[in-house]
Amino acid sequence: AQSVTQPDIHITVSEGASLELRCNYSYGATPYLFWYVQSPGQGLQLLLKYFSGDTLVQGIKGFEAEFKRSQSSFNLRKPSVHWSDAAEYFCAVGTYNTDKLIFGTGTRLQVFP
Amino acid sequence: GAGVSQSPSNKVTEKGKDVELRCDPISGHTALYWYRQSLGQGLEFLIYFQGNSAPDKSGLPSDRFSAERTGGSVSTLTIQRTQQEDSAVYLCASSLKGLAETGTQYFGPGTRLTVL
Repeated sequence: AQSVTQPDIHITVSEGASLELRCNYSYGATPYLFWYVQSPGQGLQLLLKYFSGDTLVQGIKGFEAEFKRSQSSFNLRKPSVHWSDAAEYFCAVGTYNTDKLIFGTGTRLQVFP
Repeated sequence: GAGVSQSPSNKVTEKGKDVELRCDPISGHTALYWYRQSLGQGLEFLIYFQGNSAPDKSGLPSDRFSAERTGGSVSTLTIQRTQQEDSAVYLCASSLKGLAETGTQYFGPGTRLTVL
């Protein structure tokens, strides 16, 4: 069965520091991969997605993620974090033969000034 | 353009009562999904509608849960005889096409359900 692991429940960084949020998936074939962000009281906003092609994906708000098949990972990165990036981040996986997304448990990002 | 909308934004109900949650997808989106976000369970898939096909109900937790989609647009999720463990945020998403065709799901703001 497919699964998604986000090992870090809570991360704290200083504003301006770089950020990497980890995501590992379990699936036998090439998955479809997504990162969503959820601000307090808000729905999920899509940051970026990977279906195929270039394994380095650019998203909104200066985020990027890299699909590494050998490591079954799809880590989210940002070179310089802004205070407004404080939110909860969810990695999700889907496949070509199912239509539902499987979500990780989320990583809560806190940004200190 | 307009995104996915859900109503009500908050719903408080008493144990044993029935509730209906509504989702208006993005215009033209043929695929519609319901997910549930609860403490300790994370985000879990409930049900999926695609066009005129039979819905995928594989994620519904019990027969107290049902959903319909009228006219290929608006969807209603109904929970009968609510229990305290039903308390959660119910999220609706829509996409132009199914995931198998690399469709991207766009989420609404959710309905927070509290069962007393």
